Amino acid sequence: GDQVEQSPSALSLHEGTDSALRCNFTTTMRSVQWFRQNSRGSLISLFYLASGTKENGRLKSAFDSKERRYSTLHIRDAQLEDSGTYFCAAEAGGGSGNKLIFGTGTLLSVKP
Amino acid sequence: GGIITQTPKFLIGQEGQKLTLKCQQNFNHDTMYWYRQDSGKGLRLIYYSITENDLQKGDLSEGYDASREKKSSFSLTVTSAQKNEMAVFLCASSDTNQDTQYFGPGTRLLVL
Repeated sequence: GDQVEQSPSALSLHEGTDSALRCNFTTTMRSVQWFRQNSRGSLISLFYLASGTKENGRLKSAFDSKERRYSTLHIRDAQLEDSGTYFCAAEAGGGSGNKLIFGTGTLLSVKP
Repeated sequence: GGIITQTPKFLIGQEGQKLTLKCQQNFNHDTMYWYRQDSGKGLRLIYYSITENDLQKGDLSEGYDASREKKSSFSLTVTSAQKNEMAVFLCASSDTNQDTQYFGPGTRLLVL
């Protein structure tokens, strides 16, 4: 079936550094959503993209508009509060409802 | 704004027991979802519903029932709890005209 491959599975950053997470899709996707899950398990929606890029503070996400088969999440000037597990989720489209296929997550640890 | 509430926050059951999880949303969203998250993994879709009294199977529906009693509520039943049913169950909702899914805080299930 359709799959979402997320990398890296774990990432350790020092405060103030930049990095990027990536999700590859085995087929063309209609949209992608990025989430952060905190230590208590709450999922917070960061971005929803049907195409192009979006930016919010130190976070920026892009969705490949041509083939629609990958998305990235860039973290600039990482802070301690950015720690958590980041998930991408893609919607394949077609059918009814907004069925999301989730990646396996990136465990981000930001250290002083 | 709106909120999604899930009850209970923690659920402890016995093997073979029938267990029900509840979800309420006040976004007035049409579509609601139930996901399961196993430790260190992404989310997998169990059931979703695009309107009151509608029910659609996800990738992981075997062993579960669901019920969309009214637009604002969506319940999930584990028909016979198994030892490997230790997971977090997340409820979400979305408006069919916008595609972002919003998540509840989750119910943590432990089967003894």
